[in-house]
Amino acid sequence: EAGVAQSPRYKIIEKRQSVAFWCNPISGHATLYWYQQILGQGPKLLIQFQNNGVVDDSQLPKDRFSAERLKGVDSTLKIQPAKLEDSAVYLCASSHSGSHQETQYFGPGTRLLVL
Amino acid sequence: GDSVTQMEGPVTLSEEAFLTINCTYTATGYPSLFWYVQYPGEGLQLLLKATKADDKGSNKGFEATYRKETTSFHLEKGSVQVSDSAVYFCAYSGAGSYQLTFGKGTKLSVIP
Repeated sequence: EAGVAQSPRYKIIEKRQSVAFWCNPISGHATLYWYQQILGQGPKLLIQFQNNGVVDDSQLPKDRFSAERLKGVDSTLKIQPAKLEDSAVYLCASSHSGSHQETQYFGPGTRLLVL
Repeated sequence: GDSVTQMEGPVTLSEEAFLTINCTYTATGYPSLFWYVQYPGEGLQLLLKATKADDKGSNKGFEATYRKETTSFHLEKGSVQVSDSAVYFCAYSGAGSYQLTFGKGTKLSVIP
């Protein structure tokens, strides 16, 4: 079974530029998550989708971050404009139905450096 | 608010030593508890989990028991190997909430 795919793996941009990340979850997984992992910390949830609807985006900085999951499969996360403090690893995860007992499967992440 | 506190690192052990990484949580109700591991250059992967009190999760020689009375989920391994060198994250997911709340991670280095 193919895992969660993410691209790009690395991205370097200057502050105030925009950037987009792509995620393809495990086939058949209804729930998709985006996490931000700042160096030395645990991942923090940014947004959760159930199929193509948003379940929780309470920790997403909506003035600069946006995410969509068209057709309930792939998802993109965008930052516009980027700030220095956005430097982090952006992780995508998916799970079958989103139950709190389920395992979330993580992709390799996109490492973003904002200069 | 809800949170996870895990042992600060880094932890350095000799091969075949006993490992304990402490994890306690603050949450209402009956959360599910997880240990995730991140090997160098790789993504997060589930190591083990427990979904109700007194359950023991185990995998690859690692164990953790869900202790509701002490709100703990400590990770143990009787004899670590060099290949266990990684960052270990304790996490929970509360009933009624889908998101994982992670601790800060504990970096383990095992030397031959």
